[in-house]
Formats: sequence, C-alpha cells, structure tokens
Amino acid sequence: EPEVTQTPSHQVTQMGQEVILRCVPISNHLYFYWYRQILGQKVEFLVSFYNNEISEKSEIFDDQFSVERPDGSNFTLKIRSTKLEDSAMYFCASSGPRDAQSLAKNIQYFGAGTRLSVL
Amino acid sequence: KQEVTQIPAALSVPEGENLVLNCSFTDSAIYNLQWFRQDPGKGLTSLLLIQSSQREQTSGRLNASLDKSSGRSTLYIAASQPGDSATYLCAVRTPSNTGKLIFGQGTTLQVKP
Repeated sequence: EPEVTQTPSHQVTQMGQEVILRCVPISNHLYFYWYRQILGQKVEFLVSFYNNEISEKSEIFDDQFSVERPDGSNFTLKIRSTKLEDSAMYFCASSGPRDAQSLAKNIQYFGAGTRLSVL
Repeated sequence: KQEVTQIPAALSVPEGENLVLNCSFTDSAIYNLQWFRQDPGKGLTSLLLIQSSQREQTSGRLNASLDKSSGRSTLYIAASQPGDSATYLCAVRTPSNTGKLIFGQGTTLQVKP
C-alpha cells in the first residue's frame, strides 16, 4: 500500500542551525501538508501546499519556516534558525489522488514523523 | 475559532467490551471529520472519514457518527481487543479549500487482556 515517507526519523540539531525535514508524499497526490506535535500537546497545522504554492499557513509558520517541492516527488520543510521551542514531532501528510472519488480524495495520509530535538 | 475537544482523555477497559470515544467541536461549519489512531512514537493512521453531509461511516469493528448541528462525533469500537490500545484522535477539516485539519488532544485507550 502506498505510504508517506519521512526522513530522517530523528534529527538532533543545535539552536540557531538550519534543518531540512524531508517527505515523499504518495505519488499521485496533489495536496501536501506539514503538521507538528509538541510532546504532550495536540497535533497542530503548519502549512498546506497545492499547485506549487502555499494555500494556507498557520501563525506558527513564520519567516523562519519554508516549504518546497524541489522535484516531482519530494516535499521539504526548512527551518532556517532553529529555536528550543521548535523541538517537536513533525508530520508530513498528503491527500487528493487525481483519480479518486470525493470521499477518498479528502483522506489525509500521514507519515511516521521526524522527531526534531533542538539543543 | 474552531476548537476540538475529546473526552475522556484516557480510558481503560477489559478485552471484549464495546466502547465509545467522544469528540466535540465548537463551530458546526466543517467540511469533514476524520478519526485517526496514533501508536506511541508513531505517525497517524487514518481510520474513518465522515463528510459533513453524512451521519456515519463504518469500517470493520469501528463506527463513527457525526451530528454536525450539535458539534459532536463519536467513535464506537465493538468487541475491543488489546491490539486496539492506542491514542485516538479526531480532526475536523475547515470549510476552506486548503485542507487544514484541527485536532483534538486525543483519547488514550488501553484494552486489558
């Protein structure tokens, strides 16, 4: 069964460093998302991406964050200068297969996550 | 601003019991509602999605209902098994075209053998 793949599974970085979290969404999906979950808290929406541009971003997604789909398969989240409070599990998700019926088109499929630890 | 709440936060039941998990949301203007399962340290697995026009969806031993007007959804698990032990999250999708999901804090279920 197709799945969303995220790498690395765990990333440790020093405060102030740049990190890039990588995702390979399901191949025929059109919509891509990043969410994060700080330990013990709710899963929070960061950004949605469609047709090579951001369609919505949350207040969390400030100028330190950016997303890119550099080729036909990868979807990346970059944090330019990490802060201690960026430590969280980051999830990538995708939805919207081109040929799907309405219900299936709306299901968001999540990757296993990247645990980011900022020291 | 849409808020999603799940009650109870934790639940422990003996194997074989039927159980109901609750999810409530403050704004009835939703596009759909999705239930997920999260195992410790893992990603989210989609269980069921209910469109705003639907009342319920079923998959195997799982049945999810939606009452949009009262801002409630329930996830019914029949004949619970130890393998059902996990955290269950509900998420509502806002009516915007962007697919944004707003999550509840989850119910952690433990099914004892």
